[in-house]
Amino acid sequence: AAGVIQSPRHLIKEKRETATLKCYPIPRHDTVYWYQQGPGQDPQFLISFYEKMQSDKGSIPDRFSAQQFSDYHSELNMSSLELGDSALYFCASSLEWGDGTGELFFGEGSRLTVL
Amino acid sequence: QKEVEQDPGPLSVPEGAIVSLNCTYSNSAFQYFMWYRQYSRKGPELLMYTYSSGNKEDGRFTAQVDKSSKYISLFIRDSQPSDSATYLCAMSSDQTGANNLFFGTGTRLTVIP
Repeated sequence: AAGVIQSPRHLIKEKRETATLKCYPIPRHDTVYWYQQGPGQDPQFLISFYEKMQSDKGSIPDRFSAQQFSDYHSELNMSSLELGDSALYFCASSLEWGDGTGELFFGEGSRLTVL
Repeated sequence: QKEVEQDPGPLSVPEGAIVSLNCTYSNSAFQYFMWYRQYSRKGPELLMYTYSSGNKEDGRFTAQVDKSSKYISLFIRDSQPSDSATYLCAMSSDQTGANNLFFGTGTRLTVIP
């Protein structure tokens, strides 16, 4: 069965550079979530999208932006990278509409290292 | 086999019932266990965090970890309609987060008034 696909799996950037992470949800899932987990930290919710519209916003810095496209894939754009942005970024998808169970399916994460 | 298995439910209970949510796992290296509550289309919030085996209680919530059986549980006493949400278990082998946090798929709970 198809799972949530995240790319790239690993990314190394310099300070002040820009990075883009991609998430491809399970087909027909209508909701996408982004999380950030820094070393020794709990996962922090960043942002979510329902049917391509932002549905909730967490602790996402102003330097970050995200969107969900017509094919339901989502991209997290991070600019002016700082050392503290080094973390594991998870994407998850679920089906919330109608008879959807709301089960969350997580990607394997994209590990960003900022040097 | 998935690292973490969680019964997806959905689960419906009457108000005041005791709820039991469970996860099993296969990796014996897991030592840190968490339960999150997530309302529909919202971000998750950490409910309980336990290390190794044992019980932890916080108000109406009790988390249990049985490492010998590779089984964790979350109990909710006197359930309320406001408890209606998806509950996710998560676990890790490393407190520093150097290794991935592994999530269950969540159990959707509905508490009926």
